Amino acid sequence: ETGVTQSPTHLIKTRGQQVTLRCSSQSGHNTVSWYQQALGQGPQFIFQYYREEENGRGNFPPRFSGLQFPNYSSELNVNALELDDSALYLCASSLAGRLAGVPGELFFGEGSRLTVL
Amino acid sequence: AQKVTQAQTEISVVEKEDVTLDCVYETRDTTYYLFWYKQPPSGELVFLIRRNSFDEQNEISGRYSWNFQKSTSSFNFTITASQVVDSAVYFCALSDPDGGSQGNLIFGKGTKLSVKP
Repeated sequence: ETGVTQSPTHLIKTRGQQVTLRCSSQSGHNTVSWYQQALGQGPQFIFQYYREEENGRGNFPPRFSGLQFPNYSSELNVNALELDDSALYLCASSLAGRLAGVPGELFFGEGSRLTVL
Repeated sequence: AQKVTQAQTEISVVEKEDVTLDCVYETRDTTYYLFWYKQPPSGELVFLIRRNSFDEQNEISGRYSWNFQKSTSSFNFTITASQVVDSAVYFCALSDPDGGSQGNLIFGKGTKLSVKP
């Protein structure tokens, strides 16, 4: 069973640039969630994708966007980077439960650490 | 408002001591789920437990135990006979009914546990 993998592990960008982060979900999982974790803070929910469509979004501006592909892998895109976007970006995969509204166990990757200068 | 508070920022214990990590939550929902995750230095969050709001039974798993009390909106986590490998940041999380279905959790700021030999 392959776990959640994210790339790149570290990257440095400058203000105003754009970045794409990638995530391969755990085998058999059909749902991907993205979280932003600033230093010393808990993760904050950005959005979730299920069957290639956004299925929930946290309090993040539109310059944070995403995609999910038919193989359930996912991308997080951030445009017009700001200094405050420096954080660890975590991807988590899960299997949608058979009971509506039952949150499943999330399997996290090790994250992509983004530094914006 | 949905909120998770982990008042203990850092805890340091000596190996074999028992340690309790506190978690207090706020929610407007009658049905909700609570979680604990462990984040070792490698970055990925590791799922420890999920508890729904209708099940107030305490749970024990090896050296880990959880005390859920709806009356005080608390979901505390105790490690018995702590070990150096328990050193990590521990997060308490609450399911968020807004922003979609599964996978969107509200995390506390975490408690950094250091277990010294």
